[in-house]
Amino acid sequence: KAGVTQTPRYLIKTRGQQVTLSCSPISGHRSVSWYQQTPGQGLQFLFEYFSETQRNKGNFPGRFSGRQFSNSRSEMNVSTLELGDSALYLCASSLGTSNNEQFFGPGTRLTVL
Amino acid sequence: GQSLEQPSEVTAVEGAIVQINCTYQTSGFYGLSWYQQHDGGAPTFLSYNALDGLEETGRFSSFLSRSDSYGYLLLQELQMKDSASYFCAVISFQKLVFGTGTRLLVSP
Repeated sequence: KAGVTQTPRYLIKTRGQQVTLSCSPISGHRSVSWYQQTPGQGLQFLFEYFSETQRNKGNFPGRFSGRQFSNSRSEMNVSTLELGDSALYLCASSLGTSNNEQFFGPGTRLTVL
Repeated sequence: GQSLEQPSEVTAVEGAIVQINCTYQTSGFYGLSWYQQHDGGAPTFLSYNALDGLEETGRFSSFLSRSDSYGYLLLQELQMKDSASYFCAVISFQKLVFGTGTRLLVSP
């Protein structure tokens, strides 16, 4: 069974631009969660989608948004990029929404210049 | 709010046993998970405790005490490949909230 895939793996943007990251969950998994990982703040929850609906949201500004498609693939978008948005963005999938076992993708390393 | 406390770094030698502690303060607690992350890699799931007690999976065991808001990950027969960061995470209101991570350094 293929694992969670994320594209692109690396991205360089400049301040003010926007970016869209993509995540394909493990086949059969309907829940997709997104996390931001930085050296200073650790792993922080962004949001979770299940059956195309956002079920939970972390404490991030409205510039961070996401969506999930009918095939469970998910995208997250960050608008008006700031230097502080430089981070590893991880997506994780799970069968249901209990979140006790999540499978992480390799992440997208975003650098904002 | 929610907070999880872990030691920032632990060192040990090959073959030894090491325990990584995690104390948490959270509302709506459902369970405690542990994840391993190698440098440059993605976090991988190790274990989950919803009830008090010890769960054993090979060389790794995880313990939870809900009354003490405390858990630990026990790694036995340490190997060099166990050098990684270990995160505890609580499931609170269906969200996974991670601790700051413990960097484990295993030396020969």
